[in-house]
Amino acid sequence: DVKVTQSSRYLVKRTGEKVFLECVQDMDHENMFWYRQDPGLGLRLIYFSYDVKMKEKGDIPEGYSVSREKKERFSLILESASTNQTSMYLCASGYRDYGYTFGSGTRLTVV
Amino acid sequence: SQQGEEDPQALSIQEGENATMNCSYKTSINNLQWYRQNSGRGLVHLILIRSNEREKHSGRLRVTLDTSKKSSSLLITASRAADTASYFCAPGLQGAQKLVFGQGTRLTINP
Repeated sequence: DVKVTQSSRYLVKRTGEKVFLECVQDMDHENMFWYRQDPGLGLRLIYFSYDVKMKEKGDIPEGYSVSREKKERFSLILESASTNQTSMYLCASGYRDYGYTFGSGTRLTVV
Repeated sequence: SQQGEEDPQALSIQEGENATMNCSYKTSINNLQWYRQNSGRGLVHLILIRSNEREKHSGRLRVTLDTSKKSSSLLITASRAADTASYFCAPGLQGAQKLVFGQGTRLTINP
């Protein structure tokens, strides 16, 4: 089975810190995605990547950046964490025509 | 928005009953996918139905697709307590690799 691993289940960071959320997949997928999930708002796409060093903005990219230096790893970066970035972050990889595999999520709290 | 929109937002039924959730979308699709999310976890891919299919079964799951109405339904038969979760539909849009999700249907199975 495809595995998508997110480095942390829970994370607490201070306002203004630079935060890295890591995601690794083991099935050689070109496509990888970062979503955030908030009550009442569902899942919203932050960024996605079609291949190494390729990235595209999703619906809510402001305040975030991404890095894809290797095919298996897709990192989400909060340049200067703010309290409104407190959320559940979900990473996924896969293909539109076959389905996506999600990681277990990282619940980030910014204090 | 190109997201799938699930209806109802919440559904509560007795164990053993059938649960039906609906999804509407707005643009042309290659396929439509359903995912489940247990509380605080990542999403799990349940089933994918292609645009040229009308009905698909997987165990206790039955999915229908009506492309003329741009709608789909997910039926879970003989519900169990373990089916308690949120369910999301995700239209696989033509010309796009990304999946866009709605807010989901929160299903509660009462013993």
